[in-house]
Amino acid sequence: VQLVESGGGLVQPGGSLTLSCVASGFDFSTYWMHWVRQAPGKGPVWVSRIKSDGSGTMFADSVKGRFSISRDNARDTMYLQMNSLRVEDTAVYYCVRDSREFSFDYWGQGTVVNVSS
Amino acid sequence: QSALTQPRSVSGSPGQSVTISCTGTGSDVGGYYYVSWYQHLPGKAPKLMIYDVSKRPSGVPDRFSGSKSDNTASLTISGLQVEDEGDYYCCSYAGFYTYWVFGGGTKLTVL
Repeated sequence: VQLVESGGGLVQPGGSLTLSCVASGFDFSTYWMHWVRQAPGKGPVWVSRIKSDGSGTMFADSVKGRFSISRDNARDTMYLQMNSLRVEDTAVYYCVRDSREFSFDYWGQGTVVNVSS
Repeated sequence: QSALTQPRSVSGSPGQSVTISCTGTGSDVGGYYYVSWYQHLPGKAPKLMIYDVSKRPSGVPDRFSGSKSDNTASLTISGLQVEDEGDYYCCSYAGFYTYWVFGGGTKLTVL
């Protein structure tokens, strides 16, 4: 199982960014997937989830209305569209697989998002 | 401030045992049997070590064990090894509106 995130970078407050996560080594289309972020020196924070068929998306209150999650099962890829970015969105963003047991069994290495003027 | 409270650091010598606590509330740790623990070693992706409070995924040594009492979960690492040194995070399912909450992390030092 491998999860590879990309798309992070430096963006100004109010800007937008789209993260991608390419999965391999398992049947991507049958697993729920999540985004989890971790700000410098802090613990992880769950951000969003998407069901295996792309339905049933959920978001943390801190990003609701600003972020959207989607997936392309034909390309084994998940996305996180981030709009109206704030300084407090600065973090490492991890692509994470749902274990089907209310936990997260595989994580990517993460991609860094830095929101700063 | 993270939703779940963990000690900032713990330490032990090789061969010893250490326990890391994770304190939440009746809405997360105390309300569900869905506590998980993650190991994050420098330069590596986080790794699932314990799920459903006390279950170990395939490949995780039985030196790692988990338990829960009321609103506090615990991760015990016995027979400490130098390669266990890193950060450990607890996580709990917290219901339909909050979903998942994490601890702030505990840095394990193997002296």
